[in-house]
Amino acid sequence: GIQVEQSPPDLILQEGANSTLRCNFSDSVNNLQWFHQNPWGQLINLFYIPSGTKQNGRLSATTVATERYSLLYISSSQTTDSGVYFCAVERWNTGNQFYFGTGTSLTVIP
Amino acid sequence: DGGITQSPKYLFRKEGQNVTLSCEQNLNHDAMYWYRQDPGQGLRLIYYSQIVNDFQKGDIAEGYSVSREKKESFPLTVTSAQKNPTAFYLCASTQIPGQGRYGYTFGSGTRLTVV
Repeated sequence: GIQVEQSPPDLILQEGANSTLRCNFSDSVNNLQWFHQNPWGQLINLFYIPSGTKQNGRLSATTVATERYSLLYISSSQTTDSGVYFCAVERWNTGNQFYFGTGTSLTVIP
Repeated sequence: DGGITQSPKYLFRKEGQNVTLSCEQNLNHDAMYWYRQDPGQGLRLIYYSQIVNDFQKGDIAEGYSVSREKKESFPLTVTSAQKNPTAFYLCASTQIPGQGRYGYTFGSGTRLTVV
């Protein structure tokens, strides 16, 4: 399967700070998504971004497919941003399976 | 509102018992998936189905079984053969298998504990 590595594994931020989360993957992919898992376990899809850059409010993401990495930027962090951020990749000839990284656990303190 | 409903939220299983986790979606999605999450780890694929009456094993299918008799429903049975079933189970669906351009939607999960 495809190996997905995320860094850092843990991150503590003061409210209002900015951060960058990184996702490296071991092979070419057709699909890359960023998810946020809230403290209750719910996974929310943040971005579908196999390449290029997207922005949604305080969040933005960039994927450089040729170099096999993606970055998630969080600006002006809020306590509600706390949770675990997962990167997941998919290649269509591997049985339509999503491969997940082990996540970045983010804690935003007031 | 459309979405995925998983039930129950919490489930306790005795040793040697089979239990079934429910997953229902009203999104008219073709593909459905079951993932297992252990503490501090990412998600691992158990089974997936792209069409009614067809399903495929994922990376950790041993000790689990599924059925897909209706497009809306994809129940997961954790059998007594699964030696370490305590985990958080997440069901997901997507409209176009293998493309995901509409995004994967996840249910809120079932937390299974062996007692």
